[in-house]
Amino acid sequence: AQKVTQAQTEISVVEKEDVTLDCVYETRDTTYYLFWYKQPPSGELVFLIRRNSFDEQNEISGRYSWNFQKSTSSFNFTITASQVVDSAVYFCALSGSNYQLIWGAGTKLIIKP
Amino acid sequence: GAGVSQTPSNKVTEKGKYVELRCDPISGHTALYWYRQSLGQGPEFLIYFQGTGAADDSGLPNDRFFAVRPEGSVSTLKIQRTERGDSAVYLCASSLNSAGARGELFFGEGSRLTVL
Repeated sequence: AQKVTQAQTEISVVEKEDVTLDCVYETRDTTYYLFWYKQPPSGELVFLIRRNSFDEQNEISGRYSWNFQKSTSSFNFTITASQVVDSAVYFCALSGSNYQLIWGAGTKLIIKP
Repeated sequence: GAGVSQTPSNKVTEKGKYVELRCDPISGHTALYWYRQSLGQGPEFLIYFQGTGAADDSGLPNDRFFAVRPEGSVSTLKIQRTERGDSAVYLCASSLNSAGARGELFFGEGSRLTVL
């Protein structure tokens, strides 16, 4: 069975603080893909990143960075110097051999000015 | 259009009624997905189209739910004899190729269905 767990239901920080959103996954597939999506109040899910299971290199994109560790089945997302516009619900998702996306429950991130 | 378009954005109906939700994907995207999202939860897969055919409909909860994509572009999700438990936001997404959900999905803003 495949599963994605985002244990943090809601996180609230003050602007300019760094924040890490946790994602732990379960799968028996050897080839799989991990994703992060952002869902702002408008409701439209926005793609942030995709990683495949063979590439454990961390990735940085501006203030965003992702830490993929197969040993702990985790794919954590860090926002550095957070801004109010980062406020949204963030979803981690997994796609394995059946091509379906399995989603976590999401973490609501609140950035206070 | 520039993005995935879903109509209506909001639909309120009475229990037992029939509902249609429409999705217009990004032009040229061959893959189309329907998801359902309840409050405080992640999206739940319903059905995936590759072209005109349903490649995977294993997420449809029961036979009251049906979806079509007759010309390989616009898709309609049809719900018969609606129940209060069907209330949710129905999300549509499209992607460029047949890689299933391994590529980037482009989502619409969803259709919020409320069954009274």
